[in-house]
Amino acid sequence: GQQVMQIPQYQHVQEGEDFTTYCNSSTTLSNIQWYKQRPGGHPVFLIQLVKSGEVKKQKRLTFQFGEAKKNSSLHITATQTTDVGTYFCAGHSNSGYALNFGKGTSLLVTP
Amino acid sequence: DGGITQSPKYLFRKEGQNVTLSCEQNLNHDAMYWYRQDPGQGLRLIYYSQIVNDFQKGDIAEGYSVSREKKESFPLTVTSAQKNPTAFYLCASSIWGNPEAKDYGYTFGSGTRLTVV
Repeated sequence: GQQVMQIPQYQHVQEGEDFTTYCNSSTTLSNIQWYKQRPGGHPVFLIQLVKSGEVKKQKRLTFQFGEAKKNSSLHITATQTTDVGTYFCAGHSNSGYALNFGKGTSLLVTP
Repeated sequence: DGGITQSPKYLFRKEGQNVTLSCEQNLNHDAMYWYRQDPGQGLRLIYYSQIVNDFQKGDIAEGYSVSREKKESFPLTVTSAQKNPTAFYLCASSIWGNPEAKDYGYTFGSGTRLTVV
């Protein structure tokens, strides 16, 4: 079955440093979504990418979808303490009916 | 405001007892989902439902059961057959049909933390 793998599992940065998490799928995805879960909270939808090679930005966050639609990345520029949390990617395969989530990357930002 | 409500927030049960987790949404979403979250494991799909009176097993359905009698409600029962029931359970909902739709993201409830002793 489809697997979505995410690296790294953990990342600890100083405030102001950049951060990137990577997502790779064993199969081609029809779309990829990104979620953020704050400590003690629930996942919150950030964005969806659909097109091959698509790049979207939300303020300091940049999301990319690979040309082959098998990988994606989330890059945060100049992290802030408010960026702390776990970032999940999730994808639908072309035949999938529910999102398949990666294990997430937990980001810790120290001032 | 529209949203998705899970109750209770914390639940304690003795081993061998069945327990039902509630999930209600007023977003008029067709699809609803149950995920289980364990530390370091991400979110794993238990069951999902695309329409009333229909549901499908996810990757870890053994020991769980669901019903979908109303569009707004998708309760999950954790049975005594579930070997490791202690976990954080998340319910979600979404529109259904076009994965490329702009508002296709899932809306999650705040979760139920189940502890079985």
